[in-house]
Amino acid sequence: RKEVEQDPGPFNVPEGATVAFNCTYSNSASQSFFWYRQDCRKEPKLLMSVYSSGNEDGRFTAQLNRASQYISLLIRDSKLSDSATYLCVVNLGYGGATNKLIFGTGTLLAVQP
Amino acid sequence: EPEVTQTPSHQVTQMGQEVILRCVPISNHLYFYWYRQILGQKVEFLVSFYNNEISEKSEIFDDQFSVERPDGSNFTLKIRSTKLEDSAMYFCASSEAGVGEQFFGPGTRLTVL
Repeated sequence: RKEVEQDPGPFNVPEGATVAFNCTYSNSASQSFFWYRQDCRKEPKLLMSVYSSGNEDGRFTAQLNRASQYISLLIRDSKLSDSATYLCVVNLGYGGATNKLIFGTGTLLAVQP
Repeated sequence: EPEVTQTPSHQVTQMGQEVILRCVPISNHLYFYWYRQILGQKVEFLVSFYNNEISEKSEIFDDQFSVERPDGSNFTLKIRSTKLEDSAMYFCASSEAGVGEQFFGPGTRLTVL
């Protein structure tokens, strides 16, 4: 089983649509969780951290279900500028030396005018 | 807004040559990382560095790779004898805390001929 698994897409949605991405992770010891976005041939940019209580940042809502080892990202009112690859990322870190990020392969979102 | 910087943006080298990739992490960050992304593949962890020593490395990070923090600001990745399969985008990242958010530089595209 892959460490972090995502549907690669592409998700083609019209402007204004709501779109949801899901992700599962295999290591139950994972400590922290993130969504990054990556534009073509650019670096991953942190979109948001994901907390068990769920968190929202404007049009973006992230949820974490530790029992199911499942992370989600909801984008409301999609904009053309949201077109990118969305990376689900987990950190096994324990606050000490082990802090590597494990990346999913990403889900490609294309927002159409 | 502080950011991670990397130089050069693109490096072309012959197989067997040594390359040094340079990074300037965010100034108050204590944890430093290198990741790589082969074209069309996911981002992969290479190495983490804290308190002037390697804290973790992946299987990719073999004896041909080394990292150094030669002064208070730079963080370098050296590949001693490059191979064709080292061609990839190399990203430097830094974080303030171990399990905290990691911020990525724009990357160095390494092409080995």
